[in-house]
Amino acid sequence: DAGVTQSPTHLIKTRGQQVTLRCSPKSGHDTVSWYQQALGQGPQFIFQYYEEEERQRGNFPDRFSGHQFPNYSSELNVNALLLGDSALYLCASSSQLAGGQTQYFGPGTRLLVL
Amino acid sequence: AQSVSQHNHHVILSEAASLELGCNYSYGGTVNLFWYVQYPGQHLQLLLKYFSGDPLVKGIKGFEAEFIKSKFSFNLRKPSVQWSDTAEYFCAVNAPRNTGFQKLVFGTGTRLLVSP
Repeated sequence: DAGVTQSPTHLIKTRGQQVTLRCSPKSGHDTVSWYQQALGQGPQFIFQYYEEEERQRGNFPDRFSGHQFPNYSSELNVNALLLGDSALYLCASSSQLAGGQTQYFGPGTRLLVL
Repeated sequence: AQSVSQHNHHVILSEAASLELGCNYSYGGTVNLFWYVQYPGQHLQLLLKYFSGDPLVKGIKGFEAEFIKSKFSFNLRKPSVQWSDTAEYFCAVNAPRNTGFQKLVFGTGTRLLVSP
């Protein structure tokens, strides 16, 4: 049973650049949520995608955008990177058929902005 | 706004000691409650969850948690910890599906160190 996978595992960018992170949900899941986890903090919700649409959004600027593909995989894009965007970015998947409440997390992508 | 408080940021225990980690949430409606664990170098894993029914829920690896609605609490317990329980523990909350509130709101985490 394939779990949630994310790529890349690590990424180094400079301020002002753009980055794309990728996520494949757990087999059978149709919903993908993205979280940002800063050092020493709990994960913060960025947004959730279902049926290729953004369904919910947290308190993040428009520089953060996403996409969900027909195979349920998802991308997180961050434009005009700031130093403060350095964090672990987590993808979580869930199943609407199963109620959608339980989310399973991937290993994350650690982004460092210099 | 919904929020979760974990009052113990760092806990150090000896093996075989009992563990209780506090979690309080702020949300006016019906909630789903979760404890996730992050072992060193590993990803967040679901430890246990509460949706409804018996307020005492059992999870993996001998952990359990008790939902006390009147106290807005969902404390995590384990009678006897092992060195392998060294990890960071996160409490999280969301709401039932029909409320449209599926995002998880996390606490800041409790870092547990178990000494052999």
